Amino acid sequence: DTEVTQTPKHLVMGMTNKKSLKCEQHMGHRAMYWYKQKAKKPPELMFVYSYEKLSINESVPSRFSPECPNSSLLNLHLHALQPEDSALYLCASSHSQGTDTQYFGPGTRLTVL
Amino acid sequence: ELKVEQNPLFLSMQEGKNYTIYCNYSTTSDRLYWYRQDPGKSLESLFVLLSNGAVKQEGRLMASLDTKARLSTLHITAAVHDLSATYFCAVDIKTGNQFYFGTGTSLTVIP
Repeated sequence: DTEVTQTPKHLVMGMTNKKSLKCEQHMGHRAMYWYKQKAKKPPELMFVYSYEKLSINESVPSRFSPECPNSSLLNLHLHALQPEDSALYLCASSHSQGTDTQYFGPGTRLTVL
Repeated sequence: ELKVEQNPLFLSMQEGKNYTIYCNYSTTSDRLYWYRQDPGKSLESLFVLLSNGAVKQEGRLMASLDTKARLSTLHITAAVHDLSATYFCAVDIKTGNQFYFGTGTSLTVIP
């Protein structure tokens, strides 16, 4: 099973809302990643979790809050977002950080009104 | 700052033709990856190149890596419409242990 799942597929939220994105993998991978991708641009790394600990935070605004409850789950909590945060949010996982192919989930298309 | 540049950014080619996409990166890297992305979809892993001179082939796509030149190529042979997508290369370096994606090449194969 080489699948990374993400929910929801689409999310529309207002600037005062609080929502969460979820990501799950059952491949035994110990590194998980959040990326943001704007249209026609490459993915931009946001956060990296290695063995359930946050190892990289690419200077992401605090309105994005990651959480890794266990080795299979990764959440991204959203609060007080701005319209420019509208994008495709991709989750990925790999056997370990930075040493192997990253497998990407289908993404969550986020629209902030 | 690591830069990963792809050339061309946009490519329109006829079915049956051959073409090469180039990926240049600005610092030493241990590994290079190629991904495909269809519009509105996620990224699909195509190739992992692990050493200088590595060559991988799958169907009409062949990828190679020259670590001394800091260059990877993705060669398309006898293109078909189904290959239309955006192709990204990605480099990872030990320092920071993170992926750096190239600028992407949007490929359109015209019947």
